[in-house]
Amino acid sequence: KAGVTQTPRYLIKTRGQQVTLSCSPISGHRSVSWYQQTPGQGLQFLFEYFSETQRNKGNFPGRFSGRQFSNSRSEMNVSTLELGDSALYLCASKGGSSYNEQFFGPGTRLTVL
Amino acid sequence: TQLLEQSPQFLSIQEGENLTVYCNSSSVFSSLQWYRQEPGEGPVLLVTVVTGGEVKKLKRLTFQFGDARKDSSLHITAAQPGDTGLYLCAGSSNTGKLIFGQGTTLQVKP
Repeated sequence: KAGVTQTPRYLIKTRGQQVTLSCSPISGHRSVSWYQQTPGQGLQFLFEYFSETQRNKGNFPGRFSGRQFSNSRSEMNVSTLELGDSALYLCASKGGSSYNEQFFGPGTRLTVL
Repeated sequence: TQLLEQSPQFLSIQEGENLTVYCNSSSVFSSLQWYRQEPGEGPVLLVTVVTGGEVKKLKRLTFQFGDARKDSSLHITAAQPGDTGLYLCAGSSNTGKLIFGQGTTLQVKP
């Protein structure tokens, strides 16, 4: 099976712009979670989507939003970018395991100038 | 709020040495996972432990889940340069979220 894919891998934006990141989960996985990873804060949970519905949400401002399509692909959007949004954004998909095992993509490195 | 504390944060050792990484919490987790992440890549799942007191081995890596399911450890025997990376523990919370520790950066020098 192909793994989780994320596009683009690298992105440079300026403050105030918006950005959309894309994630394709492992075939058959219906749950997609998004995380922000920074050196200072580690891995922070953003949100989880399951069958096109947001199932869980972390403690991020409303500028961070997401959605999931009927084919389980997911997008994450960040509006009005701030310097502090510079991070590695990771997407993870989950199958039917009852142990919450997640499989991560390679991430999108976002740099905000 | 459920938190996972990992220690040490950084570890730099010589090839062939043994090491242990700890993951502690005051909360009970239904399962706990260990991941390894290399620079520029996403975390890769190494193991899941579910039962209190459970021990799992993956070649030179030994994972243990505490009896009360509040803590876990990762022991590496005879570390090799290929073991270098960021090790993350993650627990399944009572809300269904995965709670990550801050990570342990391991450097194994040849």
